[in-house]
Amino acid sequence: GAVVSQHPSRVICKSGTSVKIECRSLDFQATTMFWYRQFPKQSLMLMATSNEGSKATYEQGVEKDKFLINHASLTLSTLTVTSAHPEDSSFYICSARDGEGNLGNQPQHFGDGTRLSIL
Amino acid sequence: AQSVTQLGSHVSVSEGALVLLRCNYSSSVPPYLFWYVQYPNQGLQLLLKYTTGATLVKGINGFEAEFKKSETSFHLTKPSAHMSDAAEYFCAVSNSGAGSYQLTFGKGTKLSVIP
Repeated sequence: GAVVSQHPSRVICKSGTSVKIECRSLDFQATTMFWYRQFPKQSLMLMATSNEGSKATYEQGVEKDKFLINHASLTLSTLTVTSAHPEDSSFYICSARDGEGNLGNQPQHFGDGTRLSIL
Repeated sequence: AQSVTQLGSHVSVSEGALVLLRCNYSSSVPPYLFWYVQYPNQGLQLLLKYTTGATLVKGINGFEAEFKKSETSFHLTKPSAHMSDAAEYFCAVSNSGAGSYQLTFGKGTKLSVIP
């Protein structure tokens, strides 16, 4: 149980392209989803928290116009990197948390990540 | 504010030897503690978690961790390392004081297993 599917797994595209990454919870309803960015050999950096049906909360220093997040349903959140440039190249990982019960007890379940390479 | 410190960015053990990965946390309220494992080019997989109750928690793949409040620690152990345990391990803390129970991760410890 608690499977999170993230697509695509790898994207290579030209500078200026917009890229959409999907994150789906397959067997549970995720009232909250999180988007992280991970640089090589580093830990995960939280970019934003999204709750179904409301605007995402972005962490300090994350450009909300550059990284558009939509959480339109309880099973799907999308991250769109708009007008991507080489410095946006990174490993992006989503996670989802089951909304049932005590939120503190509920772990985040992670997708397999998306390797984004901007040429 | 909450934070996590993982001592040792890289740990090497021989196959069959004890695995000990260290994690210390800082939290102003009772924490929820997690260990995750990440294999190359993959997301994170939950190994185990501590929320309340028994301080020694058992997880998947033979791992366990003990919550020690007096030492603000949550070290991860496994009695006998296997080659398949080679991966990156992240300790994380969450509590009600953080918005939406956000996770704060340590910097990770890369575990190498020598045959």
